[in-house]
Amino acid sequence: DAGVTQSPTHLIKTRGQQVTLRCSPKSGHDTVSWYQQALGQGPQFIFQYYEEEERQRGNFPDRFSGHQFPNYSSELNVNALLLGDSALYLCASSLEAFREKLFFGSGTQLSVL
Amino acid sequence: GQNIDQPTEMTATEGAIVQINCTYQTSGFNGLFWYQQHAGEAPTFLSYNVLDGLEEKGRFSSFLSRSKGYSYLLLKELQMKDSASYLCAVRDTGDDMRFGAGTRLTVKP
Repeated sequence: DAGVTQSPTHLIKTRGQQVTLRCSPKSGHDTVSWYQQALGQGPQFIFQYYEEEERQRGNFPDRFSGHQFPNYSSELNVNALLLGDSALYLCASSLEAFREKLFFGSGTQLSVL
Repeated sequence: GQNIDQPTEMTATEGAIVQINCTYQTSGFNGLFWYQQHAGEAPTFLSYNVLDGLEEKGRFSSFLSRSKGYSYLLLKELQMKDSASYLCAVRDTGDDMRFGAGTRLTVKP
């Protein structure tokens, strides 16, 4: 049973570019959450998707957008990249009925130069 | 808003017991979680408390006092592999989970 998978594992971009990160949830999970984790910090909530809609959003600008597909996989898009967007981006999946436990992917390390 | 505070770093000796504290302030409360994160890896779930009291799971236990906005994670019989960051997280009445900055635990021989 595959866990949460994210791609790519590492990415280097320059300021102003756009990036798309991808996540496949754990088998059977229907809810996907995205987090940004800066070095030495805890994960910061970006948004959560359920039934292909953004259900809740953290304190992130509109440059951060996402999508969930009918197969529950998800994408995170970041436009007009800033140096401060450099971080580990974590995807976590859960089952709507058992939301107390999140399963995290290994993340995408994004470096903005 | 939501504040979650935990110590930045702790050091303990192999075989000993360590307690990692977490205090929080939330507008609502729907559960407190502890996650373990080794360097360069994904966070992994350790425990979940929604009612006051102690939850024991092997060498790890977690305690919650909702009236005090306080939790702790207790690690017994420390092993070198327990060296990691320990993240306290709170779910309020919404659907998201908010994390503290994490406590980096170093276990020494």
